[in-house]
Amino acid sequence: DQQVKQNSPSLSVQEGRISILNCDYTNSMFDYFLWYKKYPAEGPTFLISISSIKDKNEDGRFTVFLNKSAKHLSLHIVPSQPGDSAVYFCAAKPSGAGSYQLTFGKGTKLSVIP
Amino acid sequence: GAGVSQSPSNKVTEKGKDVELRCDPISGHTALYWYRQSLGQGLEFLIYFQGNSAPDKSGLPSDRFSAERTGGSVSTLTIQRTQQEDSAVYLCASSLGQLYNEQFFGPGTRLTVL
Repeated sequence: DQQVKQNSPSLSVQEGRISILNCDYTNSMFDYFLWYKKYPAEGPTFLISISSIKDKNEDGRFTVFLNKSAKHLSLHIVPSQPGDSAVYFCAAKPSGAGSYQLTFGKGTKLSVIP
Repeated sequence: GAGVSQSPSNKVTEKGKDVELRCDPISGHTALYWYRQSLGQGLEFLIYFQGNSAPDKSGLPSDRFSAERTGGSVSTLTIQRTQQEDSAVYLCASSLGQLYNEQFFGPGTRLTVL
């Protein structure tokens, strides 16, 4: 039973346009959410995160939105650049026991077309 | 400073053989994690070490898997009597401690069991 779901395995976007990557979760104990970016043959690198007490966090071209009632978060990249082409993983962690354990989605492969 | 390093980067082995994968975390990071990513899947938590505390082994898929962390630094993940379904990328991550949300990943070891 997948607790973190990224329903779009891939996404293609024109350079300069907005990329929107979506993530849904089922576990109401999750209270911190992270996005990781992964290039081939490299480990995931941390991109941006959001706590459940917020609904938006912005860092440069990257913004994460959290809708707790819908158990949904999204990552917006504006403007998209060819170097953003990578696999993006959504991850979540709970409060309390096991709070170190990240649960990952399967990833969305973003292709930014020049 | 140096990031998380893992060795070997690639390992091809025959079914039934034992393998050892090594992880060298970021200096000063007390928390260390092992994940694996099978083809088309998200990252799956395997085991967590925090300082001198007993590790959380709840994610290990079978008793053929074991891990140790010597001196609170380097960690070794051992898979005994490897099976074809063990083929995956094994990723190690470290963080400053349990209370720190961001985990820093190594490049991974790609294990192929023939």
